[in-house]
Amino acid sequence: DAGVIQSPRHEVTEMGQEVTLRCKPISGHDYLFWYRQTMMRGLELLIYFNNNVPIDDSGMPEDRFSAKMPNASFSTLKIQPSEPRDSAVYFCASSSAQGATGYTFGSGTRLTVV
Amino acid sequence: SQQGEEDPQALSIQEGENATMNCSYKTSINNLQWYRQNSGRGLVHLILIRSNEREKHSGRLRVTLDTSKKSSSLLITASRAADTASYFCATASNTGGFKTIFGAGTRLFVKA
Repeated sequence: DAGVIQSPRHEVTEMGQEVTLRCKPISGHDYLFWYRQTMMRGLELLIYFNNNVPIDDSGMPEDRFSAKMPNASFSTLKIQPSEPRDSAVYFCASSSAQGATGYTFGSGTRLTVV
Repeated sequence: SQQGEEDPQALSIQEGENATMNCSYKTSINNLQWYRQNSGRGLVHLILIRSNEREKHSGRLRVTLDTSKKSSSLLITASRAADTASYFCATASNTGGFKTIFGAGTRLFVKA
């Protein structure tokens, strides 16, 4: 398995633009998580899905953030409009039921909003 | 919050020495996990210990869990320069949903 695949690896965008981050989880994993990492706040859970259904989005900072999982092999995290304070590394992770073997993380997308 | 808190924040040791990192948390958990993150990379799962377990080993890694003290430790024996990374503990609970909360991490630097 190629692991959790995220794209793009780096994204630089101007304030106000729409940003879409993509994630392909490991086949067979039925949990998918989006995390954001910054120096100031560490790793924050934004939202997680179980069997493609959003379960907990309490970590999504604002209405500008939205996430979808149209099928078991694809998820997106969208920021519209983007702001400089959204600059961070965004990670996607997947896990089998109940995380019995821990999470598998993607390599992350480093987002810079200027 | 059940967020784990690692101690120390940073640790610098010589190659060959042992490294011990500690994690404390606040609420009851189902399991506790340790992850490693190399600079510019994603997190890599190292070991998971369930709430009914007290100790677990994996290669040069030894994890202990004391649920009465709400604390865990990660011991890396005979450290190598390649162990230089940040190490995070993460606590998982199914209270209010299945999610894992990460601590702020310990930055380990192993000098060759």
